[in-house]
Amino acid sequence: EIVLTQSPTTTAASPGEKVTITCLASSSVSNMYWYQQKSGASPKLLIYSTSSLASGVPDRFSGSGSGTSYSLTINTMEAEDAATYYCQQWSSNPLTFGSGTKLEIK
Amino acid sequence: EVQLVESGGGLVQPGRSLKLSCVASGFTFNNYWMTWIRQAPGKGLEWVASITNTGGSTYYPDSVKGRFTISRDNAKSTLYLQMNSLRSEDTATYYCTRLITTHYWYFDFWGPGTMVTVSS
Repeated sequence: EIVLTQSPTTTAASPGEKVTITCLASSSVSNMYWYQQKSGASPKLLIYSTSSLASGVPDRFSGSGSGTSYSLTINTMEAEDAATYYCQQWSSNPLTFGSGTKLEIK
Repeated sequence: EVQLVESGGGLVQPGRSLKLSCVASGFTFNNYWMTWIRQAPGKGLEWVASITNTGGSTYYPDSVKGRFTISRDNAKSTLYLQMNSLRSEDTATYYCTRLITTHYWYFDFWGPGTMVTVSS
């Protein structure tokens, strides 16, 4: 099973600040996917195929990476971006998610 | 507009069974694989089961294999999850999701979820 380790576990950013969340895989994966979950809501797709923005996602979000190291970046933090973010892989079975990064607004 | 609406959750005793349903609308249901994902209270996301668009193949992680059964009725645009021999660790919100399988493997739509509590 591929284990996805996200860091940091929790972080806070001020409006306008740049935020980077990292997802490290225990083995190489071909693509990474990212989801945003706001408090009390179901997860929402943010990024697919490592760097492609899902429909309706603001372009301040971006994804990058390859092999075992991937990242999600918010270029300029906004209050509405406060949420928990999860990475996901299905390059090999079973499908796995990272444990999540909680992002708060300062 | 794509909509996924789960139902069937509730309080159930350990060892008992429960069946969840998910009604889909806004897309051609029989064109898509579907998946159940769960989230224990205050915890992360866990894959529970997936099914091909025809229902001909199903996939499970070891944690639920042999206890849970995913199925679908394409005529009713409805996805199901039959959960048997429930344990306290199955307590979670269960999300119905649409799975994209064209070159990439990810979940583009999620329902609001249905809560399952396994407790005596």
